[in-house]
Amino acid sequence: DVKVTQSSRYLVKRTGEKVFLECVQDMDHENMFWYRQDPGLGLRLIYFSYDVKMKEKGDIPEGYSVSREKKERFSLILESASTNQTSMYLCASVTGRGGSYNSPLHFGNGTRLTVT
Amino acid sequence: LAKTTQPISMDSYEGQEVNITCSHNNIATNDYITWYQQFPSQGPRFIIQGYKTKVTNEVASLFIPADRKSSTLSLPRVSLSDTAVYYCLVGGYNQGGKLIFGQGTELSVKP
Repeated sequence: DVKVTQSSRYLVKRTGEKVFLECVQDMDHENMFWYRQDPGLGLRLIYFSYDVKMKEKGDIPEGYSVSREKKERFSLILESASTNQTSMYLCASVTGRGGSYNSPLHFGNGTRLTVT
Repeated sequence: LAKTTQPISMDSYEGQEVNITCSHNNIATNDYITWYQQFPSQGPRFIIQGYKTKVTNEVASLFIPADRKSSTLSLPRVSLSDTAVYYCLVGGYNQGGKLIFGQGTELSVKP
């Protein structure tokens, strides 16, 4: 069974801090995604990666960056955290090459980040 | 892009069948349709996936008409534990690899 693990369940950071959210998957999936979820706004795509060292912007990349140095690990970086980045962050992975996904996404349980 | 549109919320009672419809007018030839269920403080989890016609598994059925511009998730005899947010997701290949979720349908099952 595929497991997507997010390193922290809850995180509290101060405004201006650099924040790292880590995600690891154990099924050799090519593709990994970072979403944020806010009440009334559903899941919004921040960044995704379809291969090691590759990254693509999603719909809301501003204020975020990502790193994928190894296939199993996808990190989301908040360069300088702000209060409007307080949210639930969800990582997901899926197999498939060339952006062709015929299998379901597998999600982690999320990291609830609070920026004060 | 294959944008999806679903009702924001639905109410039902225990034991009833619930049908949630998702419209996706711009679905591409290569796109599959996938439904997810999400409980509070958890990540979404896979329910069912299909390409055309009808798919059934142990928890749900998925109906897809010939033009594939919509799909209907059917939950038979819902219980209180089916109270959750349900998302339909279409795509991948035709969107440069992006997987964009709609706002989801919040289903509330009452006793």
